[in-house]
Amino acid sequence: DGGITQSPKYLFRKEGQNVTLSCEQNLNHDAMYWYRQDPGQGLRLIYYSQIVNDFQKGDIAEGYSVSREKKESFPLTVTSAQKNPTAFYLCASSMDARAWQPQHFGDGTRLSIL
Amino acid sequence: SQQGEEDPQALSIQEGENATMNCSYKTSINNLQWYRQNSGRGLVHLILIRSNEREKHSGRLRVTLDTSKKSSSLLITASRAADTASYFCATDAWGNFGNEKLTFGTGTRLTIIP
Repeated sequence: DGGITQSPKYLFRKEGQNVTLSCEQNLNHDAMYWYRQDPGQGLRLIYYSQIVNDFQKGDIAEGYSVSREKKESFPLTVTSAQKNPTAFYLCASSMDARAWQPQHFGDGTRLSIL
Repeated sequence: SQQGEEDPQALSIQEGENATMNCSYKTSINNLQWYRQNSGRGLVHLILIRSNEREKHSGRLRVTLDTSKKSSSLLITASRAADTASYFCATDAWGNFGNEKLTFGTGTRLTIIP
């Protein structure tokens, strides 16, 4: 089955630690996205990538970093500079980066602070 | 900044009844999409309506768009327990760099009572 796989489902971070969230898709989509969702709120865009080896900052990129070395993979690193990282993180992909293209989502990673 | 605001924030209805939720946005848009999110899961694309369309149907879903009022509504007819989820609108608009990225609203939490 084609889809997006996020791992792990739950992740705990210690103070001062960087953690990396995995996102893999087998939909052959060019564009990929990372969103952050806080309780009772909508999704906020962290980073997006229109094509391999290219990515752009979203609305809340500070304290996060990404890479796009392969079409299928778009990992997100939450760095120690992100002071409030507790949230539900969602990865998505779309056929291309045109905003009207429907986005396909993974089932998220819930990050908490120890 | 959040473009879309859903109303109501939460809605509970009896199974079999119709559910209506609304989305208001601030600036002119190209397209508006509706997504569903089951608890603890990723979002699922439901339907897209373009700015030159007024109404669109998909199965038990009916979406309307009133660009003069900058609002959209999602109607789910003959609701089922499986419709229990949060529903988000998402908009895109022309910007400095072409078709701008998707912006999500804050969502309506729908509960269907068996």
